[in-house]
Amino acid sequence: EPEVTQTPSHQVTQMGQEVILRCVPISNHLYFYWYRQILGQKVEFLVSFYNNEISEKSEIFDDQFSVERPDGSNFTLKIRSTKLEDSAMYFCASSYRVMNTEAFFGQGTRLTVV
Amino acid sequence: AQSVSQHNHHVILSEAASLELGCNYSYGGTVNLFWYVQYPGQHLQLLLKYFSGDPLVKGIKGFEAEFIKSKFSFNLRKPSVQWSDTAEYFCAVNAGASGGSYIPTFGRGTSLIVHP
Repeated sequence: EPEVTQTPSHQVTQMGQEVILRCVPISNHLYFYWYRQILGQKVEFLVSFYNNEISEKSEIFDDQFSVERPDGSNFTLKIRSTKLEDSAMYFCASSYRVMNTEAFFGQGTRLTVV
Repeated sequence: AQSVSQHNHHVILSEAASLELGCNYSYGGTVNLFWYVQYPGQHLQLLLKYFSGDPLVKGIKGFEAEFIKSKFSFNLRKPSVQWSDTAEYFCAVNAGASGGSYIPTFGRGTSLIVHP
């Protein structure tokens, strides 16, 4: 069964450093998402991506964040200068269309900023 | 845009007990509704989904959910839980019409622990 894969599974970084979280969505999917979950809190939407551009983003997704689909298969989330409060589980998801279908999620990357 | 509330944040049950997890959403138009499960150390997996038709939806592993439009609810049920059902459960909704968002919106999640 096709699946969304994320790497790394766990990343520890120092405050102020840049991190790149990587995702490989399901190959025929067209819509891509990043979510995050701070420990003990709800799953929060960050950004959606379609047709090589951001289609929607939340208030969380400020100038420190960026997304890219550099080569037609990978989908990356970059945090330019990490803060302690960026520590969370980051989930990538993809779907074939926006309605009447489910999003498929990756296993997540646990980001710890120290 | 829509929002989702899950009323039970932590549920502890013994094996064979019945389960019902509450989920309410706020949006008056057409919605897609989902329950996802996350087993320890694993990714979010779809338990069941509702798009249209029969409001009683059956999913994997004996789970079912009922869409009650008048109550804006989509509660998850299982008649007899097993130890292996220990996991985090998330309700999610997306909407397609004006005022809603097609972005899946999640509830806070419910942590279920089943004692053997």
